Amino acid sequence: DIQMTQSPSSLSASEGDRVTITCRASQSISSYLNWYQQKPGKAPKLLIYAASSLQSGVPSRFSASGSGTDFTLTISSLQPEDFATYYCQQSYTTPRTFGQGTKVEIK
Amino acid sequence: EVQLVESGGGLVQPGGSLRLSCAASGFTFSSCAMNWVRQAPGKGLEWVSYISSSGSTIYYADSVKGRFTISRDNAKNSLYLQMNSLRDEDTAVYYCARDLGLSGWRYFDYWGQGTLVTVSS
Repeated sequence: DIQMTQSPSSLSASEGDRVTITCRASQSISSYLNWYQQKPGKAPKLLIYAASSLQSGVPSRFSASGSGTDFTLTISSLQPEDFATYYCQQSYTTPRTFGQGTKVEIK
Repeated sequence: EVQLVESGGGLVQPGGSLRLSCAASGFTFSSCAMNWVRQAPGKGLEWVSYISSSGSTIYYADSVKGRFTISRDNAKNSLYLQMNSLRDEDTAVYYCARDLGLSGWRYFDYWGQGTLVTVSS
């Protein structure tokens, strides 16, 4: 199975901060990488697919890049509604493994 | 509007069985692959199972293989997960998720609200 490792596991940031989350795959997954946002008690929401494509309706302050084994998700200016947990997921092969999550908390 | 509504969760004893359902609306269900994903309390997301649009291709996570069975009824726009021989570690919120593919890229673009399964004596 492909292992997905996110860093950091959690971070504290202030409104307006630029935030970057990284995701590393245990083997090359080309650009088969998705990012999801999950708020407490809610279902995950797709933010980014194919490593860098913004899902319809997702604010442009979210961006992502990477290919192969190393990927990043960036929030250019953190908003109050962005405090949540973020997961990467590879869709290169089954099982479609997720990273362990990165919790973005208010500083 | 795309909607996925799970049901069937509840409290079950270890070794017991439960059948989850996911009712789909707002899209052509028979054209879409579907998945079950679970989340143990306070933990991350774990993919559980996949079924293709026709039901001809099915995959399971090793953790549930031989105990869980995914199925669908396209005439009823419904997805199912039959869970047998349940263990404490199966306790989780179970989500159904639509599996969309565009130009070869695949992702879960819509998720249900989840249904809680608690395995405990």
